[in-house]
Amino acid sequence: EVQLVESGGGLVQPGRSLRLSCAASGFTFDDYAMHWVRQAPGKGLEWVSGISWNSGSIGYADSVKGRFTISRDNAKNSLYLQMNSLRAEDTALYYCAKESGGGRGAYFDYWGQGTLVTVSS
Amino acid sequence: SYVLTQPPSVSVAPGQTARITCGGNNIGSKSVHWYQQKPGQAPVLVVYDDSDRPSGIPERFSGSNSGNTATLTISRVEAGDEADYYCQVWDSSSENWVFGGGTKLTVL
Repeated sequence: EVQLVESGGGLVQPGRSLRLSCAASGFTFDDYAMHWVRQAPGKGLEWVSGISWNSGSIGYADSVKGRFTISRDNAKNSLYLQMNSLRAEDTALYYCAKESGGGRGAYFDYWGQGTLVTVSS
Repeated sequence: SYVLTQPPSVSVAPGQTARITCGGNNIGSKSVHWYQQKPGQAPVLVVYDDSDRPSGIPERFSGSNSGNTATLTISRVEAGDEADYYCQVWDSSSENWVFGGGTKLTVL
């Protein structure tokens, strides 16, 4: 059974940093690209960042480019999101998601339950 | 950047057919995926590559995609189908994954 378990969320002041983690199990982690998707309270889904299986390809939404860094440790079956210079508008539930399909047809076939990040003074 | 437009809400009586649209410029040339999200839960993939269903998703869920509109169709709607539904595509020009704004399906 595929499981994705996020952690690391919490309350943080504007301008500070936070590191999210996602522990994966139930599949061969280093065979798949992984992503972070967020959802602000009462709002829709927003793709944040994605990383290929070997970290050779990485992408970011414009809203987080230059502030967030995605990474992975295949030996630990883990995905990370380093979030710097946090803003109030980064407040959201952050989901870890497994990619499937590949290329232009890629989609997210498994999602974690999310970790809540609240940016407030 | 590429924009996907969904109606904010759709209402349907139990047993009837719900159609949720996702509009985008020449979306028919892209692969469209659909997610269901119930309150307090993570999204669940219900249709991928326009019209394919993951294992465990009822045949009542189907999809189509042509021109500037993709459609998620839910036949014989049940109370348990009440949820938010999101469409999603890969935008090659921005190299971003894009979600529609979501549609709240209400079962009357």
